[in-house]
Amino acid sequence: DSGVTQTPKHLITATGQRVTLRCSPRSGDLSVYWYQQSLDQGLQFLIQYYNGEERAKGNILERFSAQQFPDLHSELNLSSLELGDSALYFCASSSVRDRALGEQFFGPGTRLTVL
Amino acid sequence: GQQLNQSPQSMFIQEGEDVSMNCTSSSIFNTWLWYKQDPGEGPVLLIALYKAGELTSNGRLTAQFGITRKDSFLNISASIPSDVGIYFCAGPRTNFGNEKLTFGTGTRLTIIP
Repeated sequence: DSGVTQTPKHLITATGQRVTLRCSPRSGDLSVYWYQQSLDQGLQFLIQYYNGEERAKGNILERFSAQQFPDLHSELNLSSLELGDSALYFCASSSVRDRALGEQFFGPGTRLTVL
Repeated sequence: GQQLNQSPQSMFIQEGEDVSMNCTSSSIFNTWLWYKQDPGEGPVLLIALYKAGELTSNGRLTAQFGITRKDSFLNISASIPSDVGIYFCAGPRTNFGNEKLTFGTGTRLTIIP
């Protein structure tokens, strides 16, 4: 158990809908990262937050957004969903020390299915 | 963009065999990470390497940080059924507080009964 929690575990929705994925980092970790894993694209970095501020963006679609709250949990919002958004979405976290070393610890993921 | 190429893509072995896989990059990394992912689960960090030439072990797993800093190797000795899964190498980019991980394409390990 990495100490990173994600909810829900599974999400099934229809095209055009909007969903919110939630992540709680390990206790004390200030950095949160979101990744998408699909069969054809592998694990892709989406976005990083550090202590409530956005730090880096990857290939995140404009329909997707994220935020990190004062209690350090993070939410990833996906809107106008398309079939191709079906994937596993992972959250990872790291401490200041881990950041310096590059290590990140992953949650169990949310499997999103868009029908 | 940055890509990490892993080989082999998949391996079919018998229990007890040793396993070797590697990861190569077109550019230099200062840290190499090896993760294992079980079906439907998140990646679990196995080994982290911080220095060119470094050899690090974690039980039956041994990983090496290549001298050129553009590659890394993972070996598993005496494989057991719980070794089944997908192994990913990853390299962090640590620039100005941006530490996104670039992942390799993965090596899927299957143990044949």
